[in-house]
Amino acid sequence: AQSVTQLDSQVPVFEEAPVELRCNYSSSVSVYLFWYVQYPNQGLQLLLKYLSGSTLVKGINGFEAEFNKSQTSFHLRKPSVHISDTAEYFCAGGSNYKLTFGKGTLLTVNP
Amino acid sequence: DVKVTQSSRYLVKRTGEKVFLECVQDMDHENMFWYRQDPGLGLRLIYFSYDVKMKEKGDIPEGYSVSREKKERFSLILESASTNQTSMYLCASSTPSGQAPPLHFGNGTRLTVT
Repeated sequence: AQSVTQLDSQVPVFEEAPVELRCNYSSSVSVYLFWYVQYPNQGLQLLLKYLSGSTLVKGINGFEAEFNKSQTSFHLRKPSVHISDTAEYFCAGGSNYKLTFGKGTLLTVNP
Repeated sequence: DVKVTQSSRYLVKRTGEKVFLECVQDMDHENMFWYRQDPGLGLRLIYFSYDVKMKEKGDIPEGYSVSREKKERFSLILESASTNQTSMYLCASSTPSGQAPPLHFGNGTRLTVT
């Protein structure tokens, strides 16, 4: 069965600290991988996606993710977070029609 | 910008009622989706549609049906609402062209069934 696992349900950090949100996918998930962000009381919006090619993918708002095939991981990183990055982050994988989402990681950035 | 509009932000319904959740997109997208979002469970796909009058079951279709009579509109129907359908419902759309086109989400409808 397809699965996408987000290893941390909550990640608290201080402003300007680096952050890594971890995501592992099962090999049965087709290798289109995504990170979406959901700000409070809003729908999800795309941060970045990996289709093929370079394993380092840059997204919006200074986020980047690295595809690691041998470790079946797609971790999201930002070198210095802002208060405004407080949101829930979802890793997802799959095809055009069926995306499997992880359970989400709540990133809380504290002053 | 793509706009996906869900007609209600909050809904409160009684057990056994028939409930309609409406979603409209303005970008002529072929694909439309209904997800359910629950704390600790992430998003789960209920149904999707890749064309007018076409629909496919997602991972949790039980207790739901859908209707797509026009390309821009995708309705989720709860035939007889139950308390375990209390949840946040998210509609999304995408174009089928290109590799892995992004999903564009509405802001969600929070449904409470009492």
